[in-house]
Amino acid sequence: EDKVVQSPLSLVVHEGDTVTLNCSYEVTNFRSLLWYKQEKKAPTFLFMLTSSGIEKKSGRLSSILDKKELFSILNITATQTGDSAVYLCAVGGTASKLTFGTGTRLQVTL
Amino acid sequence: SQTIHQWPATLVQPVGSPLSLECTVEGTSNPNLYWYRQAAGRGLQLLFYSVGIGQISSEVPQNLSASRPQDRQFILSSKKLLLSDSGFYLCAWAGASGGAAYNEQFFGPGTRLTVL
Repeated sequence: EDKVVQSPLSLVVHEGDTVTLNCSYEVTNFRSLLWYKQEKKAPTFLFMLTSSGIEKKSGRLSSILDKKELFSILNITATQTGDSAVYLCAVGGTASKLTFGTGTRLQVTL
Repeated sequence: SQTIHQWPATLVQPVGSPLSLECTVEGTSNPNLYWYRQAAGRGLQLLFYSVGIGQISSEVPQNLSASRPQDRQFILSSKKLLLSDSGFYLCAWAGASGGAAYNEQFFGPGTRLTVL
């Protein structure tokens, strides 16, 4: 059974801090790893990673995948209160499905 | 561009009542479609997915069912709701080519269901 574990479960940081969120996985026939941001409603897509060592970057967010060690990290630099959300990691394997982790709840305070 | 709609946005239903949630996608053809449930403070649990009209795969045995009567329409139903059916229901779509789905899934706005 495919499995995704995210850590930490939650964290509180001050605005301007840099945070690193972790995602480790076990999946049959790995195809991709995805990160989503969920505020109060539906998750919104951030990144999809398929190759090790290639950083994906969007503004202050970046992510990298290590397929040998089976994990990914999501970095957020110079955090803002608008970054407060649950960040979900998911892996895609066989059969057109994604397996999601339980998420990391990030709270950015002033 | 593609858009995905879900309704209703919120729903309060008594135990034992029926349920019908609808999801439609615009701007794409032959998408893969998915129903998820998210309990409070929990991750996303895949309930059903569909790779084509009339094709439904069930992930979790329960008192829910899904149907896909049209290419871009996905319906989640129940004949009799249980208290444990409360949660946030999300529909998602993914593009598909040659029978294989692209992994990026895009989510609808969700339906918050409370069963009393």
